[in-house]
Amino acid sequence: RKEVEQDPGPFNVPEGATVAFNCTYSNSASQSFFWYRQDCRKEPKLLMSVYSSGNEDGRFTAQLNRASQYISLLIRDSKLSDSATYLCAAQRGYQKVTFGIGTKLQVIP
Amino acid sequence: GAVVSQHPSWVICKSGTSVKIECRSLDFQATTMFWYRQFPKQSLMLMATSNEGSKATYEQGVEKDKFLINHASLTLSTLTVTSAHPEDSSFYICRLPEAFFGQGTRLTVV
Repeated sequence: RKEVEQDPGPFNVPEGATVAFNCTYSNSASQSFFWYRQDCRKEPKLLMSVYSSGNEDGRFTAQLNRASQYISLLIRDSKLSDSATYLCAAQRGYQKVTFGIGTKLQVIP
Repeated sequence: GAVVSQHPSWVICKSGTSVKIECRSLDFQATTMFWYRQFPKQSLMLMATSNEGSKATYEQGVEKDKFLINHASLTLSTLTVTSAHPEDSSFYICRLPEAFFGQGTRLTVV
């Protein structure tokens, strides 16, 4: 079983839609969680950290459910520019970060 | 601006040759650098962790004699793919503990 699992998609959604991605992690020792955005053939860029209480940054909301060991990312009012692959990541200890395969989002006009 | 500068961004080399990839930390003193590899439609896989002034730590299944890592200063970590083969063709990318990635290097071995 992969340490971090995501549905690779693709998710094709119309502009303005709300879309949610889930990600599960298998190692209960994971302490910190992140969502990254990766554009085609580019490096991943940190989108947001995920906190137990849930956190919001503009149109993006991230949540963590430790009991069920999953994290989620909600994107409201999707824009064409949101089209990308979204990677979730789980961190154990000080530095070891494991990434999911990424979920591809395509926002269509 | 970029926090980590990675070069080259892409390289095509012949089978059997060696390729060196550099990652320079521009704003941080990088005592640690993580090296990942990403094959098409697969997740980023940690290959090794380089530590300034000491030996790198390799993940299980990664050949340390094939993927040479050097971290000689607080600003520079290098990964050398030795005797490259077509199956080494991949996207190689470095990352600082502070969550910043280099721009990545797309290696194609022909």
